[in-house]
Amino acid sequence: GQNIDQPTEMTATEGAIVQINCTYQTSGFNGLFWYQQHAGEAPTFLSYNVLDGLEEKGRFSSFLSRSKGYSYLLLKELQMKDSASYLCAVSPNYGQNFVFGPGTRLSVLP
Amino acid sequence: EPEVTQTPSHQVTQMGQEVILRCVPISNHLYFYWYRQILGQKVEFLVSFYNNEISEKSEIFDDQFSVERPDGSNFTLKIRSTKLEDSAMYFCASSVYQGNQPQHFGDGTRLSIL
Repeated sequence: GQNIDQPTEMTATEGAIVQINCTYQTSGFNGLFWYQQHAGEAPTFLSYNVLDGLEEKGRFSSFLSRSKGYSYLLLKELQMKDSASYLCAVSPNYGQNFVFGPGTRLSVLP
Repeated sequence: EPEVTQTPSHQVTQMGQEVILRCVPISNHLYFYWYRQILGQKVEFLVSFYNNEISEKSEIFDDQFSVERPDGSNFTLKIRSTKLEDSAMYFCASSVYQGNQPQHFGDGTRLSIL
């Protein structure tokens, strides 16, 4: 089967740094994607990892360790607008579709 | 930036009625998807579509569901006889290739079954 775990909720302060973890057990691995989803809106693509290591994109970075089945999304200089759910999704094999985790609801407080 | 568009944004239907949800994927994308998200739950894959046929479908996508690409731009999801448990947000997505390419999502159709 396919299983992806994320913490349900996190809280952080404006201007701080927060790390959102994701662990996965899937039948195969062809890439891990992070999406941001504001309440009632569509998921928006943030980042993609297929090789081990860190990918940086402005205030957002994502890390992958394939041997550990682990990824994290790092958000720096948090802003109020970063309050959203963050979804971890895995592509198990080329030609198969995304398996989404339950999402982590992040609340950024002033 | 090109985007996936979905209509309607909200659909209210009586149980047992048929509904058609519409999507216009990004024009140079080749793979199309439908997902659903029940309120407060995770995004669940329904079906993927490539080259005018279904390439993969989940257990959720049973005989009451069908997809179609009636012309060169639209991609539709039909639910034949709706049930209360079909109430959810339905997202259409598209990607250039499948697998290691990001999927781009539309804003969704909120389907409410009464």
